[in-house]
This record gives sequence, C-alpha cells and structure tokens, in this order.
Amino acid sequence: DIQMTQSPSSLSASVGDRVTMTCRASQNIDVYLHWYQQKPGKAPKVLIYRASSLQSGVPSRFSGGGSGTEFTLTISSLQPEDVATYYCQQSYATVITFGQGTRLEIE
Amino acid sequence: EVQLMESGGGLVQPGGSLRLSCTISGSSVTDTYMSWLRQAPGKGLEWLSIIYRDATTNSADSVKGRFTLTRDTSKNTLYFQLNRLTVEDTGIYYCARGPQGGTFDHWGQGTLVTVSS
Repeated sequence: DIQMTQSPSSLSASVGDRVTMTCRASQNIDVYLHWYQQKPGKAPKVLIYRASSLQSGVPSRFSGGGSGTEFTLTISSLQPEDVATYYCQQSYATVITFGQGTRLEIE
Repeated sequence: EVQLMESGGGLVQPGGSLRLSCTISGSSVTDTYMSWLRQAPGKGLEWLSIIYRDATTNSADSVKGRFTLTRDTSKNTLYFQLNRLTVEDTGIYYCARGPQGGTFDHWGQGTLVTVSS
C-alpha cells in the first residue's frame, strides 16, 4: 500500500498567519492527492482535490500544490474557524490511504 | 442534496458481529461508488471497503474476509456486515460517496462501534 506521511503532526499559529503543511507519498502518485478538513465531532470535508483544485464552496485562502511525491496545503491567512485536523488522501492506487493528519491550533 | 445516514453501531463483545446500515437520499446507490471508512478513537482515517456500480466490491486487507459490503437497491441502502470483531475494530464508522473523482465528497455523520468485553 502507498504510505502517506504528513508533517508536522501538530501546528500552532496566530490569526492572520500564513500556514503550510506537507504530505509525502511513498511512491509517485501524480496529482491524485486530496485534502480534507475535519473539525471535532464532525465528518471530514473535501478542501482540495487533485492536488490543487479548490472544492466548490471552500474559501479561497486554502490552496494546494505539488505533484509526484510531495504536496502542500497552504492557508494564506489563518482564521479562527480553521482550527481542525487536516488529512491528505491518495487515490492513485486501488487501496486508498490517508495521512495521519496535521492538527492545527490557534496560538 | 445528497445525504447519508448510518445506523447500527453499538457495543459488542470480541468475536461478535454487527450489521451497519447506510441510507442514501438525493442519489442512487447504483449511480456511483460507495465506501465505508472508519476512525479509531483519537486516530486518523482508514478506508475499509468499496462497492462499485456493478455491485462488485473490494476491501482493505485489515478487514478482508471479516467485513462484507452489500447493497439493497430497492431501499437505496448499503449494508456493512462486521464479523469476528476485535478491540482494534473500535471506532466511528462512516459511509461516504466515492471515490468520486478521487475524493469522498459526501459523508454520513458516522456510527460508533465499540468492541469490548
């Protein structure tokens, strides 16, 4: 199975900060990488699909990049409502796998 | 609007069985891929099983041979039969539409399965 590794595992930043987190795949997955946001007690929600496409309804402060094995999720100006855990997920292989998550908090 | 509603979770002893249901509205169970995923307490997301449009299925190795995914088209409902449960199977079980374009774009609220003696 393709292993997905996210870093950092947790992150603390101030409102208005630019925040970037990383997801690495154990093999080339082209752009078959997607990002989710999960708030406590809720189901995950798609933010970015195919590495860099913004899901409908998601604020434009979220952006994604990368291809191959290294990917990033960036929040251009952190807002209080962005406190959540963020997961990457690959759909390159039949067996779909997720990263372990990056927990984002406000300082 | 697509809505998914899971039910059937609960407390079960190790070695026991449980059947989860996922009722779908706003979409047909035959029009798209549907999956089950789970999240152990305080842990990340794990994809478990998928049913394709032609009703064939595939599963992760961790549940292959123990968990079975089926559907009832007349009820627009998915069923997830969980057998030979272990404490490691404890978690919130979600049904989700997809992967659609690679993502799981609609999720249920989840149902909690607790395996404990």
